[in-house]
Amino acid sequence: DIQMTQSPSSLSASVGDRVTITCQASQDISNYLNWYQQKPGKAPKLLIYDASNLETGVPSRFSGSGSGTDFTFTISSLQPEDIATYYCQQYDNLPPLYTFGQGTKLEIK
Amino acid sequence: EVQLVESGGGLVQPGGSLRLSCAASGFTFSSYWMSWVRQAPGKGLEWVANIKQDGSEKYYVDSVKGRFTISRDNAKNSLYLQMNSLRAEDTAVYYCASSLGAAAGLFDYWGQGTLVTVSS
Repeated sequence: DIQMTQSPSSLSASVGDRVTITCQASQDISNYLNWYQQKPGKAPKLLIYDASNLETGVPSRFSGSGSGTDFTFTISSLQPEDIATYYCQQYDNLPPLYTFGQGTKLEIK
Repeated sequence: EVQLVESGGGLVQPGGSLRLSCAASGFTFSSYWMSWVRQAPGKGLEWVANIKQDGSEKYYVDSVKGRFTISRDNAKNSLYLQMNSLRAEDTAVYYCASSLGAAAGLFDYWGQGTLVTVSS
């Protein structure tokens, strides 16, 4: 099974800060990596797909990069509404066994 | 507008059964893979199962194989999860998720979730 190691598990930053979250796969997953945002009590929301593609309607301050085993998610200028938990997710399995990272809880300093 | 609405959650005793439903609207349901994803209280996300457009392929995470069955009724635009032999560790919010993009593993729309609690 492919394991996803996400770090940090929590992060405190100030409004306007650049925020970076990393996700490492236990084996090469090409670019089959998605990023989701989950606000408290809400369903997850897709932000980035295939490592670097911004989902329609998602603000451009969110971005993703990487391929193979190492991936990065960035918020270029943190806004108060970005407070949430962020998850990476891989889908490079046949047959399917999609796995999520442990999540990064983002708080405002 | 894409909408996914789950129902059927509740309190059930260990060893019991429950059937979750997900009503889909706003897209051609029969054209896309669908999944169930769960989240235990205070924990992360776990993909549970998915099903191909025509129901001919179904896949499960190891922890639910032999106990859970995913199915769909394209005439009713509905997705189901039959859960048998429930355990305390199955307690979670269960989300229905669609894959309207190119890949079955890309969850682009989610329902609001339904809570399943397994406890005596």
